[in-house]
Amino acid sequence: GESVGLHLPTLSVQEGDNSIINCAYSNSASDYFIWYKQESGKGPQFIIDIRSNMDKRQGQRVTVLLNKTVKHLSLQIAATQPGDSAVYFCAEKKAAGNKLTFGGGTRVLVKP
Amino acid sequence: EPEVTQTPSHQVTQMGQEVILRCVPISNHLYFYWYRQILGQKVEFLVSFYNNEISEKSEIFDDQFSVERPDGSNFTLKIRSTKLEDSAMYFCASCEGGEKLFFGSGTQLSVL
Repeated sequence: GESVGLHLPTLSVQEGDNSIINCAYSNSASDYFIWYKQESGKGPQFIIDIRSNMDKRQGQRVTVLLNKTVKHLSLQIAATQPGDSAVYFCAEKKAAGNKLTFGGGTRVLVKP
Repeated sequence: EPEVTQTPSHQVTQMGQEVILRCVPISNHLYFYWYRQILGQKVEFLVSFYNNEISEKSEIFDDQFSVERPDGSNFTLKIRSTKLEDSAMYFCASCEGGEKLFFGSGTQLSVL
C-alpha cells in the first residue's frame, strides 16, 4: 500500500556533528512534504517543509532534500546540539486532500 | 506565538464510558484535525474538518467517534463508548491552508 516510512529507527550522533535523517515515500501523488520534531510528552513541532516542485530547501541549521526520482526525503541538521535529541517524523500530503500521513519516526540521540 | 491548546492533558476513564477531548485551534485557521499516537508508534490520522463538516476520516474513526465545533473557538473529539485500545495520546492540529499543521501538546487518554 501507499506509505511513508523511515530507514533508521535510532540515530546516535556526536554533539557538533551533522545529522542526516532519511525517509522513503511511495505515493508519487504527494505534492508536499514536512518534517516534525517530537520531544517526549509533547506534540509534533514543525521544522521545515518542501513542495514537490523543489529539491532542496534550507532553514536555520536544517536542510530538507527531496529526490522525486527515488521517492526519498532527507533532513540534515548541521552542528547537532543536545536540544536536537528527539524523535523526527516525516509526513506527506497528496495533491488532492489536506491531511498529512506520517512516517514511523527516527529517534536522534545527541551524545555530549 | 499562537498555539493550539488541548484540555485535559490527561484523561483516565473506564471502558464503556464517554469522553470528550477539547481543543482550541489557532484563531485564524480554517482546517482542524485529530490525530492519535499509541505509545512508541507513529502519529495516525483520525479526521479532518473544514467548513463545518468532516472532509476526510480514517478507518479508525468509526461510529464511536464524532467531532464538533460547537462555537467559533472550540473543536472537540468525542468517543462514545471507550475501549481499551482507544488508549493513546490524542493530538489536535490546525492549519490555515491545508498543509502546514500546528499541533497541540496532546491529551493522554487511558482507558481502564
